[in-house]
Amino acid sequence: GAVVSQHPSRVICKSGTSVKIECRSLDFQATTMFWYRQFPKQSLMLMATSNEGSKATYEQGVEKDKFLINHASLTLSTLTVTSAHPEDSSFYICSARRGTDLGNEQFFGPGTRLTVL
Amino acid sequence: DQQVKQNSPSLSVQEGRISILNCDYTNSMFDYFLWYKKYPAEGPTFLISISSIKDKNEDGRFTVFLNKSAKHLSLHIVPSQPGDSAVYFCAASRGGGSNYKLTFGKGTLLTVNP
Repeated sequence: GAVVSQHPSRVICKSGTSVKIECRSLDFQATTMFWYRQFPKQSLMLMATSNEGSKATYEQGVEKDKFLINHASLTLSTLTVTSAHPEDSSFYICSARRGTDLGNEQFFGPGTRLTVL
Repeated sequence: DQQVKQNSPSLSVQEGRISILNCDYTNSMFDYFLWYKKYPAEGPTFLISISSIKDKNEDGRFTVFLNKSAKHLSLHIVPSQPGDSAVYFCAASRGGGSNYKLTFGKGTLLTVNP
C-alpha cells in the first residue's frame, strides 16, 4: 500500500511553454499533498502544500503564479509550471500524506525531471 | 537557518556491519521524525519513523533512536547490505496546525561495501 505515482517521469520543453505534472495516490486518499524541488546534490525543498478543495499554501520565495497547483480530488494534485525558463529545470517530487492518529508519513512519487531548453 | 542537520555527507561501511546515520535538529516544536532512503532520480522511500513520545522504534534491520534532550536522532541499520547503499534523509515535522510539513536534512550518502 501507499503508492504514489507521478506523470510524466521526464519532460523536455521549450522556454516559454507550460508543463503540467500529475501526482496521484493510487491506494489511499490524501487530503494533503506536497510538492518539492530538488537540485543536484541538495536536499528536498518544499515548494507548496496542497489541500484538497482549497488553495495551496506556498513557501516563501515560491511564485504562486508561476507554479500553479490544483488539488481537485483526494487522489490527484497537479503542478503546472507556467512560462517555463531554463532556471526552472529541476527534479520535481510530490508526496502524499497518509495521516493517521499515530503517524504522519508522507509517501513520495518517483519524481519528474524537467528540462527547459 | 537549517533546522534539521545531517553533518556527515557520506558514510562507508562493510557489508554485515552496523551503519549509524545521525541527525540533529534545533526546533523543539518538532514532534515526529522520519527517515527516508533515496536513489538518484527517484523519489524518497519511507523507511521508519518515531514520535517524540518514544525513544526507540524498531522495524526489521532498521532502528531509530531519539534523544529529545540532545535533539538528536540516529538510524541504525544492522546488518548492512550492499543494497542499502543510497542517500538517507532525516526529516522532522510538527503536527496539527503546521499542516504536517516535513523539514529535511541534506542527506547522508551511505555506501555499503561487499
